[in-house]
Amino acid sequence: QSALTQPASVSGSPGQSITISCTGTSSDVGSYNLDSWYQQHPGKAPKLLISEVRKRPSGVSNRFSGSKSGHTASLTISGLQAEDEADYYCCSYAGSSTLYVFGTGTKVTVL
Amino acid sequence: EVQLVQSGPEVKKPGESLKISCKASGYSFTVYWIVWVRQMPGKGLEWMGIIYPGDSDTRYSPSFRGQVTISADKSISTAYLQWSSLKASDTAMYYCVRPEVAANAGGAFDIWGQGTMVTVS
Repeated sequence: QSALTQPASVSGSPGQSITISCTGTSSDVGSYNLDSWYQQHPGKAPKLLISEVRKRPSGVSNRFSGSKSGHTASLTISGLQAEDEADYYCCSYAGSSTLYVFGTGTKVTVL
Repeated sequence: EVQLVQSGPEVKKPGESLKISCKASGYSFTVYWIVWVRQMPGKGLEWMGIIYPGDSDTRYSPSFRGQVTISADKSISTAYLQWSSLKASDTAMYYCVRPEVAANAGGAFDIWGQGTMVTVS
């Protein structure tokens, strides 16, 4: 099972919106609405941002939103802030035998 | 408070064995899967395996099957990840993680341990 494909880096200016893509296959992203997104600051454990494609856990800013089209899930960060500078990972359920597949990760830089 | 607290950093030599732990608190340990995730230095996240403490049902990622052993002791709400013979390539941060939905192995990971850094050199 190959990792889901994410852009290595995305950048934007404060206040702008950016979108991170996460491309999988018909065996994972394309088959289940169980895509999730995580934010990881340097030296910290990842933090859940989005579950089930677009659900935001309590406490997560509404500047983070998720969506999906076909085999590609997306995370949009609106009103970009300096604190959003971090690594972001997607993850998809891939069926009862493979279970999970993570994305390759995207480094977000706030210019 | 729901939390997973992992054991401290380890420095080992190649060929040595190791068992790291993940202690759960604040929820019913036996009804949530526990997942182990590896992050090599400067690299991304990889899921290694998963265990259901209620009945010790354990599954491994093909990449890690035969390389590690996952276990759990429900009497002390603790999950374990162990190696019988470490390699330099096992140097990484290891996280234990809990999916957000009880008894559901496919859900998102809402609770993360702080990580255990394992250095093999």
